[in-house]
Amino acid sequence: EIVMTQSPATLSVSPGERATLSCRASQSIGRNLAWYQQKPGQAPRLLIDGASTRAAGISARFSGSGFGTEFTLTISSLQSEDSAVYYCQQYDNWYTFGQGTKLEIK
Amino acid sequence: HLQQSGPGLVKPSETLSLTCVISGDSLATSSAGWYWIRQSPSRGLEWLGRLSYRSDWSGDYALSVRGRITFIPDTSKNQFSLQLDSVTPDDTGLYYCVRGPGPYIYYGMDGWGQGTTVTVSS
Repeated sequence: EIVMTQSPATLSVSPGERATLSCRASQSIGRNLAWYQQKPGQAPRLLIDGASTRAAGISARFSGSGFGTEFTLTISSLQSEDSAVYYCQQYDNWYTFGQGTKLEIK
Repeated sequence: HLQQSGPGLVKPSETLSLTCVISGDSLATSSAGWYWIRQSPSRGLEWLGRLSYRSDWSGDYALSVRGRITFIPDTSKNQFSLQLDSVTPDDTGLYYCVRGPGPYIYYGMDGWGQGTTVTVSS
């Protein structure tokens, strides 16, 4: 099973600043990686697919990068509505999720 | 759109059953798969299995639940169901039905049901 490790566990950033979230895969997954946003009481929502392609309707403030085992989700010009837990998921070999990064807006 | 239904309380050793009604898409499409994913504090987000159709129905299940789990399609109602047998308290969690990629297609999970909280307790 491919293990996905996210860091940090919690991130606190001020409005208007940039947040950088990391995700590492235990083996190479190419670009077969997605990022999701989950707010309290809601299902996860797909943000990024193929490591860097924004899903339909997702703001350009969200961007993804990486290949192989190291991936990054960057959220620019942070807003209060971005407060959520963010998950990465690999779909190269079945499906596994990271444990999540909780993003807090100060 | 995915709409889930099913009981929120199941006794240990009994069968957990949930149903997901699909609107705006076809259960029998060959380009998508239909999943159940659960979420719990101890396991996080966990993929349970995938139901897909390519001239016939196919169920692929996670090792953690293989042997206890079955996905059942119902094309007349455009819905699919989850049956998880011999449940234990470890099966307690928030269950989602999800639309995602079919076999040999690679993309993320782009449609989620509202979630059903299931508690296994006597």
